[in-house]
Amino acid sequence: GAVVSQHPSWVICKSGTSVKIECRSLDFQATTMFWYRQFPKQSLMLMATSNEGSKATYEQGVEKDKFLINHASLTLSTLTVTSAHPEDSSFYICSANRDGSYNEQFFGPGTRLTVL
Amino acid sequence: QKEVEQDPGPLSVPEGAIVSLNCTYSNSAFQYFMWYRQYSRKGPELLMYTYSSGNKEDGRFTAQVDKSSKYISLFIRDSQPSDSATYLCAIKAAGNKLTFGGGTRVLVKP
Repeated sequence: GAVVSQHPSWVICKSGTSVKIECRSLDFQATTMFWYRQFPKQSLMLMATSNEGSKATYEQGVEKDKFLINHASLTLSTLTVTSAHPEDSSFYICSANRDGSYNEQFFGPGTRLTVL
Repeated sequence: QKEVEQDPGPLSVPEGAIVSLNCTYSNSAFQYFMWYRQYSRKGPELLMYTYSSGNKEDGRFTAQVDKSSKYISLFIRDSQPSDSATYLCAIKAAGNKLTFGGGTRVLVKP
């Protein structure tokens, strides 16, 4: 149990386009999900906390208009990178708190984004 | 000073040896402690979760927490080449946000 999936696993796009990444909790409900960014050989950096039915909470320095988050159901959160630029190329990982077990976070496999 | 410090390694050990990993933290409000394993280009996988001082064992893995010293450890017994990965400690206070250490890269040589 406690499986989190992400789609796509990798994506290449042109500069200026938008890219949507999906995060799904497959076998549990998750009122709260998180989006992280990870650069090579570095640890995870929390970008935002996504709550079902309400606006996401962004960490300091993260542009909310550039990284749009929608948590439309208890099993799905999406991250849209708008007007992507090469500096947005990174590994994006989501995680989910299983409802009723708020201290354990389960991570998705990650999405590698390359912006040309 | 970072809230959670972790030696980046790499830590190289022969197969069968015990791998010893640790993190220190500065915020006494931290209550929940986790260890994750991350293979290259993959998402982190939860290995151990604990919230009290003392030891917790799960198979070849033992997690130790010393709240008085703000020090946590992970031991891997009988290490295998498949244990080669980056190990991340993650700590949090009440609430949902995790604070990660920088990760320690481990290499188990056959």
